[in-house]
Amino acid sequence: DGGITQSPKYLFRKEGQNVTLSCEQNLNHDAMYWYRQDPGQGLRLIYYSQIVNDFQKGDIAEGYSVSREKKESFPLTVTSAQKNPTAFYLCASSMGHGNTIYFGEGSWLTVV
Amino acid sequence: DQQVKQNSPSLSVQEGRISILNCDYTNSMFDYFLWYKKYPAEGPTFLISISSIKDKNEDGRFTVFLNKSAKHLSLHIVPSQPGDSAVYFCAASAFTGGFKTIFGAGTRLFVKA
Repeated sequence: DGGITQSPKYLFRKEGQNVTLSCEQNLNHDAMYWYRQDPGQGLRLIYYSQIVNDFQKGDIAEGYSVSREKKESFPLTVTSAQKNPTAFYLCASSMGHGNTIYFGEGSWLTVV
Repeated sequence: DQQVKQNSPSLSVQEGRISILNCDYTNSMFDYFLWYKKYPAEGPTFLISISSIKDKNEDGRFTVFLNKSAKHLSLHIVPSQPGDSAVYFCAASAFTGGFKTIFGAGTRLFVKA
């Protein structure tokens, strides 16, 4: 089955900790994305990557970091610098501009 | 700076009637537009898209209309069904922006039986 797999589904973070959300796709897509959704709000772009070893900041990149060492993988690290990390995080991928973006099932991050 | 705006946070429609969801954008460089449907705690699922060379695209009960001069697009669902109740997101991208796709805030559709 082709798709996008995010893990874990639920994650709890203590204050001051870094946590990493995993995203893997087997769709052979070039582009990958991370979005954040807060309750009652839309999707805001954190980072995106057009090709391996390249990525760009989205609209709310502060406090986050990413890597794109493999085409299939685009992990997101939520650092302690992110002051309000509790949210629903969505990973997505596409063949590129002008193509449909497909989403994973999302990961809930809660700060405790 | 909201480049993609969905000004109606919610919409309520009777089953069998038409649902019209609206979206406005400010960046004239956007040339590809998409609509997604999202249920709580799930990832959005793709519904329909349109490129800027067209003004209409239809897929079953879903039709998207694009008015480039007004920088406006709309999604029509007819007939509406209770299972259509969800949050609908409009999205747009521009070739000059690379692969960056911007989403609106979403409109929650309630279809009453």
